[in-house]
Amino acid sequence: NAGVMQNPRHLVRRRGQEARLRCSPMKGHSHVYWYRQLPEEGLKFMVYLQKENIIDESGMPKERFSAEFPKEGPSILRIQQVVRGDSAAYFCASQTDRGNTEAFFGQGTRLTVV
Amino acid sequence: KNEVEQSPQNLTAQEGEFITINCSYSVGISALHWLQQHPGGGIVSLFMLSSGKKKHGRLIATINIQEKHSSLHITASHPRDSAVYICVISNFGNEKLTFGTGTRLTIIP
Repeated sequence: NAGVMQNPRHLVRRRGQEARLRCSPMKGHSHVYWYRQLPEEGLKFMVYLQKENIIDESGMPKERFSAEFPKEGPSILRIQQVVRGDSAAYFCASQTDRGNTEAFFGQGTRLTVV
Repeated sequence: KNEVEQSPQNLTAQEGEFITINCSYSVGISALHWLQQHPGGGIVSLFMLSSGKKKHGRLIATINIQEKHSSLHITASHPRDSAVYICVISNFGNEKLTFGTGTRLTIIP
């Protein structure tokens, strides 16, 4: 089991382009969380998904950001028309289907908008 | 008020000192996690607790469910322990993970 895999590790986008961040959870994990870490700040919750469902997106900006976790394949965090303020590290975590199980974290994707 | 509060926010200590980082939370939880984030950014899960105490090498984590409090201890601290330590709770019911703001630990040789 390779752990939670995020790719790419580093992503550079020009303002106005789209960014797609991928998270492959641990095998058997059906819960995925996305977090954003701005420079010199703590991790902030963005969205919580179970397979094919968004459970809690209270931390997602209302515009330009979307997330999905399809039945097959990785979870995708999509940022449209990126702006400089989107530059951050984006982490995902996965768990099995119970809250009192260990959460595993990916290494993050560092998005730089130029 | 944040659901998860950590203290101290920053901690600098000499090599060899005993370190304690505290985490208080205000909601019912199904589990509490301690994470370590090194300057390079990668996150490592150190412990998951739902009761009692766990030990791994020089690290010890305790939790008091009644008092809604957890501590992370490091014995015989070493410069390589320098990192940000983050307390995360798994909310009971909706099972959402909520992060503390982290404690930045610096161990001076």
